Amino acid sequence: GQNIDQPTEMTATEGAIVQINCTYQTSGFNGLFWYQQHAGEAPTFLSYNVLDGLEEKGRFSSFLSRSKGYSYLLLKELQMKDSASYLCAVRDRNSGYALNFGKGTSLLVTP
Amino acid sequence: DTEVTQTPKHLVMGMTNKKSLKCEQHMGHRAMYWYKQKAKKPPELMFVYSYEKLSINESVPSRFSPECPNSSLLNLHLHALQPEDSALYLCASSQDGTGGDEKLFFGSGTQLSVL
Repeated sequence: GQNIDQPTEMTATEGAIVQINCTYQTSGFNGLFWYQQHAGEAPTFLSYNVLDGLEEKGRFSSFLSRSKGYSYLLLKELQMKDSASYLCAVRDRNSGYALNFGKGTSLLVTP
Repeated sequence: DTEVTQTPKHLVMGMTNKKSLKCEQHMGHRAMYWYKQKAKKPPELMFVYSYEKLSINESVPSRFSPECPNSSLLNLHLHALQPEDSALYLCASSQDGTGGDEKLFFGSGTQLSVL
């Protein structure tokens, strides 16, 4: 099994930068994913990390430290449409490689 | 085509009804998943099929019965559900369920209400 922990809610201002943290404990780590989910919609893939370091994709970056069991998602130049839930998910080879999700961080972007 | 299609989008059923949720993908993926999501909660894994064989059943009650008729289709048969089963049921697919950087593609879900 695994524990995945992330803040419940965050608020940030349009144009600003926000960092959403995720910590996890797992016995068979096989990758960490970030998904975005707008209310009533399906989760959509944002990023994937399996090695330590930073992965950058436009306004979104994700960082991983396997020794610390820690990841963060960095969102730059925030836009109102970025208001959504951000789900940290860990793949565990001991769970058939399925993704197990954290509780999600609800981000509100204000004008 | 990177879509996972789920039908119906909404379903209301009584506790004595039998209904089925359907999921379809044409990306050539060989792994398909059912997740259950309650409001303001994360998706919870229910079942995983890999190459049309059930590989994971996360201790789901028998009133939920999955079926994978072929590599493109995944069904979830519902019978004698309880009101607490009301949730968004999400289908997802991925390349072959063997890990690596394969990501899950989700359908838009079926919002189920059990009365």
